[in-house]
Amino acid sequence: LAKTTQPISMDSYEGQEVNITCSHNNIATNDYITWYQQFPSQGPRFIIQGYKTKVTNEVASLFIPADRKSSTLSLPRVSLSDTAVYYCLVFNTGGFKTIFGAGTRLFVKA
Amino acid sequence: SQTIHQWPATLVQPVGSPLSLECTVEGTSNPNLYWYRQAAGRGLQLLFYSVGIGQISSEVPQNLSASRPQDRQFILSSKKLLLSDSGFYLCAWSGNGYTFGSGTRLTVV
Repeated sequence: LAKTTQPISMDSYEGQEVNITCSHNNIATNDYITWYQQFPSQGPRFIIQGYKTKVTNEVASLFIPADRKSSTLSLPRVSLSDTAVYYCLVFNTGGFKTIFGAGTRLFVKA
Repeated sequence: SQTIHQWPATLVQPVGSPLSLECTVEGTSNPNLYWYRQAAGRGLQLLFYSVGIGQISSEVPQNLSASRPQDRQFILSSKKLLLSDSGFYLCAWSGNGYTFGSGTRLTVV
């Protein structure tokens, strides 16, 4: 089971780009990397998923180096509403015991 | 499209009372289903998972149990709640990633 390590918290200001890095040294060949966002009293929601290199969607980019032992979630021009906890998750479709780490608490200030 | 329903949204129960939280999934068959618990300001703790009807695996010994009476129904139960059972309970299913329900805030008083 791949374990992930993320910073506990990060601060930013509105309009800045935020990069959150996750370490997953024991990632397996068939594992994917997925990031989730969670607001208080809500379930985590999917942000982005990737296997290698770079993935971009309408809300974020995900950078994965060749060795896949880490990944970086990039949020462009954050706003106050991006204040949330962000989880990095490593899993495969056949896995049942995916471990969620403590996540990274992002505080966006005005 | 797949949807997941979880209820109730909030629940206040006295110590020693029973518990039943229900989760249903629509738009998929034979999903892997999960119950997670989240203490205030903490990460997600996996409690139970199920790969099929009647198949339940427990990750953490505790005062709770889970059942899967139908393919797309997952129930979390307790015969007698403890104060330490308070928390935010999330149901989820996995396919190409995890999809979570909206959660139940349980307060045991």
